[in-house]
This record gives sequence, C-alpha cells and structure tokens, in this order.
Amino acid sequence: DAGVTQSPTHLIKTRGQQVTLRCSPISGHKSVSWYQQVLGQGPQFIFQYYEKEERGRGNFPDRFSARQFPNYSSELNVNALLLGDSALYLCASSLYAYSSYNEQFFGPGTRLTVL
Amino acid sequence: SQQGEEDPQALSIQEGENATMNCSYKTSINNLQWYRQNSGRGLVHLILIRSNEREKHSGRLRVTLDTSKKSSSLLITASRAADTASYFCATVPDGREHAGGTSYGKLTFGQGTILTVHP
Repeated sequence: DAGVTQSPTHLIKTRGQQVTLRCSPISGHKSVSWYQQVLGQGPQFIFQYYEKEERGRGNFPDRFSARQFPNYSSELNVNALLLGDSALYLCASSLYAYSSYNEQFFGPGTRLTVL
Repeated sequence: SQQGEEDPQALSIQEGENATMNCSYKTSINNLQWYRQNSGRGLVHLILIRSNEREKHSGRLRVTLDTSKKSSSLLITASRAADTASYFCATVPDGREHAGGTSYGKLTFGQGTILTVHP
C-alpha cells in the first residue's frame, strides 16, 4: 500500500509569492494534519482536517490556509511568503481525529525555500 | 511553541552500545509518541505510550513514561549504524474526545536528539 505522498518534493519561491502544497493520505485515512519544520527544530502543528472540516489550528498567521477534498487529500496554501516560511512542510494522516491510539503516518515532506 | 525538551541534544556512541534519550513535557497528556527522522525527511513512528502505561517495548526499543515527573525516556539497545537519525518525542494533550475538544491530530514535538552511531 502507498504511504502518505506529498508534492512537490522541493519548491523555490520569492518573497511575496503564494505557494500550494499537496498531500494524499494513506487510503482509508480521513484525518490529515500539516506541520512546519524549520531547520534544527521539531515540527510545529499548523492544521488538522478531518472529514473535510478544520479540527485544529496551530499558532500560525492567516497567511496559512488549508482545505481537504472529498477524497481526503489536502492542500496547504501560504500567501505573501516571507523568508521565515522556508522550511520542510510535513503532512501526516491517521484513521481517526479522536483516538488515544492515534498513530500518525508522515509523508516525506515538501522542502520550501523562499528567496 | 515546543512542549517537550529532549536531552541530550546530541548523542554519539559506538555500534553495540545502548542509547538513552530523555524527554520532558509541561502539560497533562493523553499519550506520548516517539518518532525518528532521517536526513531531514519524513518522520517514522516508533512507539506510542498512553498516560496510564509506564513502560512499552518494541524490538530493541524500550520506552518509559513517568507522568508524575512529566518525563519519558527512549532506550535503544545494541545500537546499529542504521539507527543514526534524529529522534523526537511528541505529546498529545489530555482532553475529552468530542467535537470541539482536544484535537488528537495535534502533536507537540520537542527539539529532538541527534543520535550518531559509529560503526
């Protein structure tokens, strides 16, 4: 079975531009979460979507938005890019939104560089 | 913000030795998970321990949890060069499982421990 997939693998943008990152969860998984990992730090939670509804949001500005489609894939959009948005963006999927056994499966990430 | 703090930040050992990493956190948790990350790519789930559990084993991995001290440790026995990676603890906060309650999709990660195992 395919794991979590993300596209593109790498992306280079300039300040002020907009970017869309894509994620396909493991088949059957209805929950998708997005994380930002700046070099040298642990991932930070951005959003969780479950059944196409936002179920959680981290401490990120409104420039960050996301959505989940009927097939449970998801997109993360970042507007008005700043240099500080350069990071590895990770997508994770899981079966449930709420479960004390909620193991999350991560994709390989999208490396975003803002120049 | 990072909830957990891993200790040490970096660990260098020889193959065959044991590696111990510690994690401390600040708030009450539902469960704590350990992940491995190779070369800045995706994270691999290693083990999940619930707040009412004290110890779990998985192959060469042993995880302990002390909720009174808000701390956890990950022990890798008989380490191999292939274990070289960054290791992160991640917590899921305590909360009721209902709409509008705790999002179990939200993992709060620590800064990580960089483990280097020399052949």
